[in-house]
Amino acid sequence: DTAVSQTPKYLVTQMGNDKSIKCEQNLGHDTMYWYKQDSKKFLKIMFSYNNKELIINETVPNRFSPKSPDKAHLNLHINSLELGDSAVYFCASSQGQVYNQPQHFGDGTRLSIL
Amino acid sequence: DQQVKQNSPSLSVQEGRISILNCDYTNSMFDYFLWYKKYPAEGPTFLISISSIKDKNEDGRFTVFLNKSAKHLSLHIVPSQPGDSAVYFCAASARGTGNQFYFGTGTSLTVIP
Repeated sequence: DTAVSQTPKYLVTQMGNDKSIKCEQNLGHDTMYWYKQDSKKFLKIMFSYNNKELIINETVPNRFSPKSPDKAHLNLHINSLELGDSAVYFCASSQGQVYNQPQHFGDGTRLSIL
Repeated sequence: DQQVKQNSPSLSVQEGRISILNCDYTNSMFDYFLWYKKYPAEGPTFLISISSIKDKNEDGRFTVFLNKSAKHLSLHIVPSQPGDSAVYFCAASARGTGNQFYFGTGTSLTVIP
């Protein structure tokens, strides 16, 4: 049973397109996250949702829009894709908005922009 | 501005020996620290954590040491096994910032049989 699952695993698309990445967790957690890992392997948080409410919204272009239909799902929609969006995007979840609980990660979505 | 740094991109160790992975941080407000392990094409997996009220936490072959005055933590793996070959990320968070983790850029560990 996969705890945090993301789809698709790979996404290759043209510049200017709109795409979505889906994330689901079956851990019963109430907080979910999106991270971006760039070419330098730097893992940086983009968004955090708790019970469908946006908690953390780092400096991310507004072409990126997270959507949380329920606490088990956090999807990421990206409009007008640019070359610099090429990266690996990780979804994660944890229980509560506490700073001292580990986050559990999905296997990532590798986005390549042509 | 990277608040958590892992200055060694890679490390090679013989099987059975000790692996020591290092991590430095700049934000003195950090009070919870974690190590994650990552295999290729998989997500990071939580390995071990330590609160700032402790200076050591042990879990089987894995021990994390925290030196608050030096703003330094390390992960010791004893004995190292080939299956430990992976990228190791350290991360830190601070009370009052919600659940925002700051990650280092990782150290790739290779354990040579």
